[in-house]
Amino acid sequence: NAGVMQNPRHLVRRRGQEARLRCSPMKGHSHVYWYRQLPEEGLKFMVYLQKENIIDESGMPKERFSAEFPKEGPSILRIQQVVRGDSAAYFCASSPLSLETQYFGPGTRLLVL
Amino acid sequence: GIQVEQSPPDLILQEGANSTLRCNFSDSVNNLQWFHQNPWGQLINLFYIPSGTKQNGRLSATTVATERYSLLYISSSQTTDSGVYFCAVDSNYQLIWGAGTKLIIKP
Repeated sequence: NAGVMQNPRHLVRRRGQEARLRCSPMKGHSHVYWYRQLPEEGLKFMVYLQKENIIDESGMPKERFSAEFPKEGPSILRIQQVVRGDSAAYFCASSPLSLETQYFGPGTRLLVL
Repeated sequence: GIQVEQSPPDLILQEGANSTLRCNFSDSVNNLQWFHQNPWGQLINLFYIPSGTKQNGRLSATTVATERYSLLYISSSQTTDSGVYFCAVDSNYQLIWGAGTKLIIKP
């Protein structure tokens, strides 16, 4: 049973470009969560999605950031017009139901030059 | 919102030593998880432990929900135990994370 998969593992972008981060949840999991980790800090919640629905996006900046989890395919976290402060590790997690153990992917490390 | 505090922030031990890591949280929670983030940044689930005691090899964890704390015990430490240990509690299905305990095991 493959774990949570994220790609790319590393992403370098110049200021003003777009970043697209992908997450494929574990088989049988329909709940996806995105978290951001700044250096030397714990993770911070960004958004919680179920298939085709955003359940809670309270941790996601209102501008430039968006997330989706379509009926088919991976969940996508999209960051438009990236700035240096967006440099961080972005982790995706999935669970079979809400309020259950969340399993984490390997993360995408975004570096904005 | 819920506050999560971990102690100590840093811990340096010799191989073979035992250690106890603590996680305090400020409100009732449905779920508490312990994670190990290895030096390569990968997050590894250790325990899902909203209450009670669990053991997995050299690691064990105890959560006393009524007193709002959890402890992670590592016995006979190995160099591969090095990394950052996080506890995270749920608040309406989002996990709230502590700042972590950075553990260094010296050979």
